[in-house]
Amino acid sequence: DAKTTQPTSMDCAEGRAANLPCNHSTISGNEYVYWYRQIHSQGPQYIIHGLKNNETNEMASLIITEDRKSSTLILPHATLRDTAVYYCIVRVDQGKLIFGQGTTLQVKP
Amino acid sequence: GAVVSQHPSRVICKSGTSVKIECRSLDFQATTMFWYRQFPKKSLMLMATSNEGSKATYEQGVEKDKFLINHASLTLSTLTVTSAHPEDSSFYICSATAVQGQQNIQYFGAGTRLSVL
Repeated sequence: DAKTTQPTSMDCAEGRAANLPCNHSTISGNEYVYWYRQIHSQGPQYIIHGLKNNETNEMASLIITEDRKSSTLILPHATLRDTAVYYCIVRVDQGKLIFGQGTTLQVKP
Repeated sequence: GAVVSQHPSRVICKSGTSVKIECRSLDFQATTMFWYRQFPKKSLMLMATSNEGSKATYEQGVEKDKFLINHASLTLSTLTVTSAHPEDSSFYICSATAVQGQQNIQYFGAGTRLSVL
């Protein structure tokens, strides 16, 4: 079973920041949080991952709470092409990624 | 990021035939690859872990004789759906683990849409 919970869907206005929350209250001390997204009929695309520090790359920022029980993915300036299903995943043993239902982000003009 | 190539992107076959799907890591070596399937409007479901040079590890409920996995080299894993039936119609996706420094990141192929008539 997935170790994360996410809202089913979210809307965001084009050009605004999209903040996608994720709860992972049972995460263990050495487990990483990974974010992927899947645009319709394509394979998932890696976005970012982190352990306990906040992370930023060219795609997004990842904010992890101090107790590591939740995190937020931030897309600073959402575009229509960012419309996708976003998956927050806690990596388990043997490097497996167990996908939950994810959040469907709809970016609107 | 690293590139994972999956072939074919789409296949249509008759019931009872076997279908082979290839997954290649193009610019890195992967000792571990993973196979997923995804039904419409559903999330990805992990089927098996493909280990280079050894037998694949299947998730509970996945028939190993139905879904044959071979990982003969560090850049290629294949999934063969044997004696395919309409209920095997699905979107099959592979991933490969790339080691970048001390980080392991899974990169995914574009997927293969299998339609069994």
